[in-house]
Amino acid sequence: DAGVIQSPRHEVTEMGQEVTLRCKPISGHDYLFWYRQTMMRGLELLIYFNNNVPIDDSGMPEDRFSAKMPNASFSTLKIQPSEPRDSAVYFCASRPGGTDTQYFGPGTRLTVL
Amino acid sequence: EDQVTQSPEALRLQEGESSSLNCSYTVSGLRGLFWYRQDPGKGPEFLFTLYSAGEEKEKERLKATLTKKESFLHITAPKPEDSATYLCAVIYNTDKLIFGTGTRLQVFP
Repeated sequence: DAGVIQSPRHEVTEMGQEVTLRCKPISGHDYLFWYRQTMMRGLELLIYFNNNVPIDDSGMPEDRFSAKMPNASFSTLKIQPSEPRDSAVYFCASRPGGTDTQYFGPGTRLTVL
Repeated sequence: EDQVTQSPEALRLQEGESSSLNCSYTVSGLRGLFWYRQDPGKGPEFLFTLYSAGEEKEKERLKATLTKKESFLHITAPKPEDSATYLCAVIYNTDKLIFGTGTRLQVFP
């Protein structure tokens, strides 16, 4: 079975540009999580969805960040406009209902110049 | 504030030199504790889930244990391929995992 799929794997952009990160969860998983990882702050939860509905977005740092899950197979995390301090690795994770174990994708390394 | 603290931050071992990594937590009402392994440039890879004090789980050279305040990841006779960052996370009254900052393990031949 394919794991969590993320694209792109690397993104380099200039400050002020819009960035869209994509995630395909494991088929059959009801929950999807977006994380950000930096050296200073480690892994931080940004937002999570249950059955495509956003449940908790308290970790989204600013209004520049938004996330959607239009269907069970796809989610996006958008940053507009991007800033250099947004540079980090962004992970998507998913899990089935009835368990707590999350499975992570390979991540997207974002660099904002 | 709920916290997860991992120690040491970094650990260097000679191949075959057994040791333990620590994860202490202050959350109340723990529902589960997780160990993940993360290799450079990759996402965290699930290793173990522990649910109750006294529980133990093993996988190859790794054994995870849980008490009411902390968890240990014991590494027996490590090999260079065990080199990675090991992350601990807890879950309590929500669906959110709270991660520690990890222990970076290096095993030298």
